[in-house]
Amino acid sequence: GESVGLHLPTLSVQEGDNSIINCAYSNSASDYFIWYKQESGKGPQFIIDIRSNMDKRQGQRVTVLLNKTVKHLSLQIAATQPGDSAVYFCAENGNDMRFGAGTRLTVKP
Amino acid sequence: GAVVSQHPSWVICKSGTSVKIECRSLDFQATTMFWYRQFPKQSLMLMATSNEGSKATYEQGVEKDKFLINHASLTLSTLTVTSAHPEDSSFYICSASQRSGTDTQYFGPGTRLTVL
Repeated sequence: GESVGLHLPTLSVQEGDNSIINCAYSNSASDYFIWYKQESGKGPQFIIDIRSNMDKRQGQRVTVLLNKTVKHLSLQIAATQPGDSAVYFCAENGNDMRFGAGTRLTVKP
Repeated sequence: GAVVSQHPSWVICKSGTSVKIECRSLDFQATTMFWYRQFPKQSLMLMATSNEGSKATYEQGVEKDKFLINHASLTLSTLTVTSAHPEDSSFYICSASQRSGTDTQYFGPGTRLTVL
């Protein structure tokens, strides 16, 4: 899949607050979705995934919500910590893997 | 599990030289490997997809003679930037998936290339 080079949107939250990062996907046939976290100077890390037969999946401090009707994916991070500061990408798996533009999360102490 | 390594993590080279970057899947066999480049504050841009034992499939606009990709085994893919120029300076990231190209991709830590 191909991603588009864009300047990233940003989200700034206070430490301890919950963060919600949104992603709109394009292919209604996509059946598998992944959230990645990329810290500065590092490669993306797998955070959590969800299949299209689910609406919600929870991990440790993270929850992914999938709304297939409007082709929307969100990542919720509970009690956001400074170590959560990073760029977060969503990815959809349809015919191939496609990445969202990413959102830069900044956590203020 | 699902660890991908890259070597080197950073490299500085002179203009006109060639640089080889290795991508290894350490604890799984990677049927498919992907190469991305990333400019500062931008998303990943897929350069090419390679399947073990076959020629890589390059994205539109990526010169195959400039970015040579070899996927010789199920655990190793290499990207060679030939006759590097300053505009090739970028962050190069590989990823690997166990099954088809639609399987979860696990990313390497990236290689920072600076061409002087």
